[in-house]
Amino acid sequence: DIQMSQSPSSLSASVGDRVTITCRASQSIGIYLNWYQQNPGKAPKLLIYAASNLQSGVPSRFSGSGSGTDFTLTINTLQPEDFATYYCQQSYSTPQFTFGPGTKVDIK
Amino acid sequence: QVQLVQSGAEVKKPGSSVKVSCKASGDTFSDYVITWVRQAPGQGLEWMGGILPIFNSPHYAQNFQGRVTITADESTSTAYMELGSLRSEDTAIYYCARVMRESATRYFDLWGQGTLVTVSS
Repeated sequence: DIQMSQSPSSLSASVGDRVTITCRASQSIGIYLNWYQQNPGKAPKLLIYAASNLQSGVPSRFSGSGSGTDFTLTINTLQPEDFATYYCQQSYSTPQFTFGPGTKVDIK
Repeated sequence: QVQLVQSGAEVKKPGSSVKVSCKASGDTFSDYVITWVRQAPGQGLEWMGGILPIFNSPHYAQNFQGRVTITADESTSTAYMELGSLRSEDTAIYYCARVMRESATRYFDLWGQGTLVTVSS
């Protein structure tokens, strides 16, 4: 089974900061990596698919990069609504999927 | 507008089973895999399994094999997730989601609102 890890598990940041979250797969997954945002009490929301493709309607301050085993989600100019938990997910082993453990971004 | 609407909260006894529904509206139900993800209180997301309604062929995560049954009714555009032998650790919010496919990639682009299942004696 493919295992996913994320770092850090949590971080504190201020509005306007640039934030970077890392996701690592236990084996190469090509570009089959998605990112989701989840606000408290809400369903997850797709941000990025296939490592670097911005989902329609998602602000351009979000970007994704990487391939193989190492991936990055970057949020430029952090906004108040961006304080949330972020999950990566591999879809390489479709129809089996695996999520990372999540990274919580809170206010410094 | 395409939506996934889930059934309401449930309270169940240990050892019993629960069946959660997910009704799709506004799009072609049968062409997409509907998948199920759960989230225990304060925990992360855990993929459980999914089904492609047109083939009615479910697939399950190993952790839930033998305890979960995912079905779909094309006539009502509704998918179901039934989890048996419930224990307190199954207390969670259960989400359905649509699996979008684009070339070889897959992602969950549309989510239901979630259904809270509480297992308590």
